[in-house]
Amino acid sequence: DTEVTQTPKHLVMGMTNKKSLKCEQHMGHRAMYWYKQKAKKPPELMFVYSYEKLSINESVPSRFSPECPNSSLLNLHLHALQPEDSALYLCASSQPGQETQYFGPGTRLLVL
Amino acid sequence: AQSVTQLDSQVPVFEEAPVELRCNYSSSVSVYLFWYVQYPNQGLQLLLKYLSGSTLVKGINGFEAEFNKSQTSFHLRKPSVHISDTAEYFCAVTLGGGKLIFGQGTELSVKP
Repeated sequence: DTEVTQTPKHLVMGMTNKKSLKCEQHMGHRAMYWYKQKAKKPPELMFVYSYEKLSINESVPSRFSPECPNSSLLNLHLHALQPEDSALYLCASSQPGQETQYFGPGTRLLVL
Repeated sequence: AQSVTQLDSQVPVFEEAPVELRCNYSSSVSVYLFWYVQYPNQGLQLLLKYLSGSTLVKGINGFEAEFNKSQTSFHLRKPSVHISDTAEYFCAVTLGGGKLIFGQGTELSVKP
């Protein structure tokens, strides 16, 4: 089973709202990733967690706050977002030392 | 630094025709190479990967790719495409450590 699940599928939020995106995998992977993808562009890496510790932050604004409560769950907390943050947010997972990343279906976010 | 160039942004092709999507990478050290497919309004699905070993890699849905170290290429091929192959295709490279570098994508459009 190579499934990564993400909820919600769609999210509309105002600039003053606080919301969270959730990602889950049950493949025993110990590395998890958040990507942002704008229309007609490739995914851009935001954060990497390895063994539940943040290992890479690609200079993402603090209005995005990741959290890895356990080895199968990854959250992305959103606060005071801007309209330009509207995008598809993709989660992925892999086994550390094995480079193949498996992606979830994404959450399509619209910030009004 | 590594980079990935997908030489065609759009490839229109008729159903049952062969197709080649081109990918070149730039790196001074050994890399791992991937092709992902993204259907409309979905996440990324792994098509195939080259980690080591045989340079001809077979993937899902009848796709294959050949790793050519001297030409630093990893072109994706399918001998006969279907309408259902219409999607965005991303070539990606990593040195390891979790950072996938994506090309800009190639939009494959299969026409009846």
